[in-house]
Amino acid sequence: GAGVSQSPSNKVTEKGKDVELRCDPISGHTALYWYRQSLGQGLEFLIYFQGNSAPDKSGLPSDRFSAERTGGSVSTLTIQRTQQEDSAVYLCASSLIPTGTSLPGMDTQYFGPGTRLTVL
Amino acid sequence: ELKVEQNPLFLSMQEGKNYTIYCNYSTTSDRLYWYRQDPGKSLESLFVLLSNGAVKQEGRLMASLDTKARLSTLHITAAVHDLSATYFCAVEAVDDNQGGKLIFGQGTELSVKP
Repeated sequence: GAGVSQSPSNKVTEKGKDVELRCDPISGHTALYWYRQSLGQGLEFLIYFQGNSAPDKSGLPSDRFSAERTGGSVSTLTIQRTQQEDSAVYLCASSLIPTGTSLPGMDTQYFGPGTRLTVL
Repeated sequence: ELKVEQNPLFLSMQEGKNYTIYCNYSTTSDRLYWYRQDPGKSLESLFVLLSNGAVKQEGRLMASLDTKARLSTLHITAAVHDLSATYFCAVEAVDDNQGGKLIFGQGTELSVKP
């Protein structure tokens, strides 16, 4: 079946502009995660959604970052007033049920191809 | 704060040789994941280890978990070029049973040469 999809695959923007990154999870997956991968910081957790709510936003690096999820499906990560340090690959993952709940094997996170963001 | 450390970070192997990648983590967790990432690609799930003593094998890769030592290993047997990739271990950080984010190791970049 279809995996996690993300768009755009590449985004080049100028410092100070706003960007929106989109994630379409695997159909039926209730949990959705955003991560960021950069050379200096490795893979970092940003935010987690269960349905449309976000129980864990602890990884968002500043108030310029926000995310929403609608209809329990598509999620959008918005970065306002982009800075050069925001340049990274933004990865989205989804799982059938939230990772760590009591049904092991159903909570593996499946990752999308990522959006490579370059801030000039 | 949960920390996950892998070693080595870079590994250059000859085809046919065996080697082990180590993943240490700092707090109690019963679940550990191994992922593979090819250059320019996303992460592919390899193994999910769910309990102490768990061992899983797929082809030339075998992963194990020792929760008491907070250590997982990924053993490569008779390496082939197709195994060249970056391998990540990840441990779930579950807070109040609300669903766990994954904390990743730094990754091990494996290069298998003829």
